[in-house]
Amino acid sequence: GENVEQHPSTLSVQEGDSAVIKCTYSDSASNYFPWYKQELGKRPQLIIDIRSNVGEKKDQRIAVTLNKTAKHFSLHITETQPEDSAVYFCAASGWSNFGNEKLTFGTGTRLTIIP
Amino acid sequence: DTEVTQTPKHLVMGMTNKKSLKCEQHMGHRAMYWYKQKAKKPPELMFVYSYEKLSINESVPSRFSPECPNSSLLNLHLHALQPEDSALYLCASSQDSSNQPQHFGDGTRLSIL
Repeated sequence: GENVEQHPSTLSVQEGDSAVIKCTYSDSASNYFPWYKQELGKRPQLIIDIRSNVGEKKDQRIAVTLNKTAKHFSLHITETQPEDSAVYFCAASGWSNFGNEKLTFGTGTRLTIIP
Repeated sequence: DTEVTQTPKHLVMGMTNKKSLKCEQHMGHRAMYWYKQKAKKPPELMFVYSYEKLSINESVPSRFSPECPNSSLLNLHLHALQPEDSALYLCASSQDSSNQPQHFGDGTRLSIL
């Protein structure tokens, strides 16, 4: 099955600077890569996603890049703000043992924005 | 309406109790999911229902029993749970089960005494 590794596990960034979180995946057939933000005690919220036919996608201060050859994808947050502090999970959609697609999550990155 | 609603928000139960977790969505989504999340860990898939049929069971112990009465509702029946089953149980839904964005509910925080 799919294996997703995520780095770093913790990241502290000065407010206004950029943050980058990286993930690698193992299943070359995976073709959908969402990113979730989870604030303390709250639900995971989808913030951006990318499909394997696209190399980069942007939404205001957030961007995701995908390198299918190297099997890695990254989340970039620019002009960070205190409300960006949260745990971020990457995920990859690979095939389950049942022949269906399922999301496998990375281990998470705790991002802290220092005012 | 872009919400997935879960009840109850908190549940404390003994190891001999039987209880149920409920999940509801009115987005017309045809895939629904149960995840288990322990503290400081990612969500871990338990079950997937696609068009009201169970399509994935990730080798979950039989003390967890899912049910999908209709396309808007998903239940998780709990019986004879163990202390290690204490966790946040998240429900999610997506348009279908094929690489579509999943929308999560707020979860039920379950404590087993």
